[in-house]
Parts: sequence; C-alpha cells; structure tokens
Amino acid sequence: AQSVTQLDSQVPVFEEAPVELRCNYSSSVSVYLFWYVQYPNQGLQLLLKYLSGSTLVKGINGFEAEFNKSQTSFHLRKPSVHISDTAEYFCAVSEGLGNTPLVFGKGTRLSVIA
Amino acid sequence: DTGVSQNPRHKITKRGQNVTFRCDPISEHNRLYWYRQTLGQGPEFLTYFQNEAQLEKSRLLSDRFSAERPKGSFSTLEIQRTEQGDSAMYLCASSLEAGGHNEQFFGPGTRLTVL
Repeated sequence: AQSVTQLDSQVPVFEEAPVELRCNYSSSVSVYLFWYVQYPNQGLQLLLKYLSGSTLVKGINGFEAEFNKSQTSFHLRKPSVHISDTAEYFCAVSEGLGNTPLVFGKGTRLSVIA
Repeated sequence: DTGVSQNPRHKITKRGQNVTFRCDPISEHNRLYWYRQTLGQGPEFLTYFQNEAQLEKSRLLSDRFSAERPKGSFSTLEIQRTEQGDSAMYLCASSLEAGGHNEQFFGPGTRLTVL
C-alpha cells in the first residue's frame, strides 16, 4: 500500500530565506506525485505535479520539486519565501493510470516570519 | 464561478442526528471524490464516482455513511447517527477522466462539528 511521510510538521522560516519541505513516499509501483497548498479556510490548491519526464518540476508561486526515485522522495523548495506563503502544504501520491484517489501526507505548516 | 462548490460550509449537529452535505463539481468533470480531513492530518480518501457509478469506497466509510451521485452531476454525502468522531472537514474534489492523470480540483469543504 502506498503511504506518504512528511518529515516536518512545522517549518518556521524568515522572509526571503530559502525553504525545503520534505516528502517521502512508499509504493511498489510507479507513482504520480503532487504538492498541494491549503490557505486558512480554503480548499486545497495544486502547486505542482510529477507525472513523468524531467525530475525537476516547476509549479506556481515560484515553487519547484525534485523527484528522486532511488530515495523515494519529492521535496518541495522555494529559493525565497514571502509572508503570503504561510500555509499548510500537503504532499500526495497516486498509483497507476487515470485519476485514482490521492493518498496524502499529514502536512507541513510553513510559517514565514517577517 | 466554475469551481467546485460545497454546501453547507459549516454544520453543527448533536450526536445521533443525521446530516447531509452537497458537492457540485466543475460541470464537465466526470469524476468526483470525497475526502475527510481531521485536525492536524492530511485529507483521507472516502469514496469516488465516475459519472453516477460509485467506483471505490474506503474502509473509513462505515455503514453510517452513504454517498450518491444520482445523475452524474452533484453528489451528496449523508452521515446517519452522527458521532463525535465524525467531526472533521469533508472535502469534495472533481476531475476529468480523459486518459492520463488530470488534476483534482478541491472545493472549500464542509466543516462538521458533532456536539
């Protein structure tokens, strides 16, 4: 069965500093990987996704992630964060072809400090 | 607004009561998903539909839970005899199944509080 581990439940970082949010997954088959962001009192919004091809994926709001198959990781990075990036970030995985249900990690709370 | 909508946004009920939530997906999307999110956790899959057919149900979906999508458009999620452990955010998402993997678009959720 697939599972997702987000190693950090909270990450505080100063404004304009770089940040990395870690995600590891386990699966016995090929996977699709996603990062979603959830702002307070809002639904989840897709930041980026890895389906195939280049292992470096660029998303919205200056975020990027790198798929590492040997380490089963999909860490999210941003070179310079803004106050507006304060939110909950979820890594998710799905297996197989088509739009199968997502398995989410527990989330990482990113707090950007002025 | 062409996004996923959910109603109500908040529901407070007493233990033992029945509640029903509604989800309206993006109009051309044929897949609809329900997830549940408790405090400090990521969303957990409950069930999903392709058009009106319910394709899969999670073990989390006890027999007190029932979901329908009668005409392949909107969906309802009913919880009978609510328990305090049902308190959570219930999220709906939709996607277009057309080969490949397409994005699931999420609604704002319905927050259920069982007293």
